[in-house]
Amino acid sequence: SQTIHQWPATLVQPVGSPLSLECTVEGTSNPNLYWYRQAAGRGLQLLFYSVGIGQISSEVPQNLSASRPQDRQFILSSKKLLLSDSGFYLCAWSAGQGGYNEQFFGPGTRLTVL
Amino acid sequence: SQQGEEDPQALSIQEGENATMNCSYKTSINNLQWYRQNSGRGLVHLILIRSNEREKHSGRLRVTLDTSKKSSSLLITASRAADTASYFCATDARSGAGSYQLTFGKGTKLSVIP
Repeated sequence: SQTIHQWPATLVQPVGSPLSLECTVEGTSNPNLYWYRQAAGRGLQLLFYSVGIGQISSEVPQNLSASRPQDRQFILSSKKLLLSDSGFYLCAWSAGQGGYNEQFFGPGTRLTVL
Repeated sequence: SQQGEEDPQALSIQEGENATMNCSYKTSINNLQWYRQNSGRGLVHLILIRSNEREKHSGRLRVTLDTSKKSSSLLITASRAADTASYFCATDARSGAGSYQLTFGKGTKLSVIP
């Protein structure tokens, strides 16, 4: 069966510090991968998605970046965090072409920027 | 802007009652999905309804889709305290080959009182 891991679960970082959040998927090949941010009491904002190694699409201009160095690994990064980067970050995967794009989510990372 | 908008934003009911949540969207879709999120956790896929379907059931869940009104509803029958969560609709507005994005609404926060 497929599983998705995210870490860390919580993170408190000072403004201006770098960020690296990691997401890995097991039990599937060639998944589509997604990073979302969820502000308190709000819906999900799609930040990045990837359909293959090294292929990243950005949905919202910001100081965040994403990379996919391996098929089942998706990394969210920042060189300098802003206060507005605080939020709940969710990684998700879906099957590649041919599926109905049901997405399966990781447990999330709660990021607080102080 | 958000493709899906849930209504109501919050709903409080007694255990055993039925809960109905609605979702409206703006553009043509290929399918609509409902997800559940417990507080501080990732989203869990509940049910998917395709654009050519009008109603779908899964256990105590019933989803309807009216493409002429661009709306969907999620009914949870005989609610339980464990159903307390936020519920999100998400639309897949694929055009052409391949679809990699879902657009999520802001969610309905359901509280089931024992």
